[in-house]
Amino acid sequence: EAQVTQNPRYLITVTGKKLTVTCSQNMNHEYMSWYRQDPGLGLRQIYYSMNVEVTDKGDVPEGYKVSRKEKRNFPLILESPSPNQTSLYFCASSLQGGYTEAFFGQGTRLTVV
Amino acid sequence: AQTVTQSQPEMSVQEAETVTLSCTYDTSESDYYLFWYKQPPSRQMILVIRQEAYKQQNATENRFSVNFQKAAKSFSLKISDSQLGDAAMYFCAYRSANAGGTSYGKLTFGQGTILTVHP
Repeated sequence: EAQVTQNPRYLITVTGKKLTVTCSQNMNHEYMSWYRQDPGLGLRQIYYSMNVEVTDKGDVPEGYKVSRKEKRNFPLILESPSPNQTSLYFCASSLQGGYTEAFFGQGTRLTVV
Repeated sequence: AQTVTQSQPEMSVQEAETVTLSCTYDTSESDYYLFWYKQPPSRQMILVIRQEAYKQQNATENRFSVNFQKAAKSFSLKISDSQLGDAAMYFCAYRSANAGGTSYGKLTFGQGTILTVHP
């Protein structure tokens, strides 16, 4: 089954404690990205990757890091989380861009206290 | 930069009736793609329908159809014969068709519209 798998689905952490949200896709997609969803703001792109070892900033990259060492995996790293990073996070992948469908993970609800 | 605006934070409809969700966008590009995504309480993002800007014909998928007005930069979603399972947050999204641009794969989302379906 074609899918994007994110883990964990829920996470509560304390300010400053490094964390990683994993994302893996089994569709051999080139394009992967991370979004955060906040009430009244919709989803905003954090980082994206057009292929292995090629990553770039989206609209709200501050406080986040990513890596793309393998085509299937695209982890999101918060080196020193802060309360303003409390949000719902989604990983998405697509074959390329354009008209192709973007497949989303199940979402990760992160709370930073 | 492109922007997408959904001006209706909440909408409601009676079961079996028809409802239209509004979406407007701003772009200087001539070629692009537009999408509607559904997000039920499970949080899963589900593609409902998509439209290619160069196609004048409005896309349809079963009970879902769009009214795409390119000149007005409007992309509304019509849900016919509404069902209880249609209750969800709906997001309108824009994606560039410029393969050489840095925003090629990026989806720009609106704020979302919460749809309630009354039995």
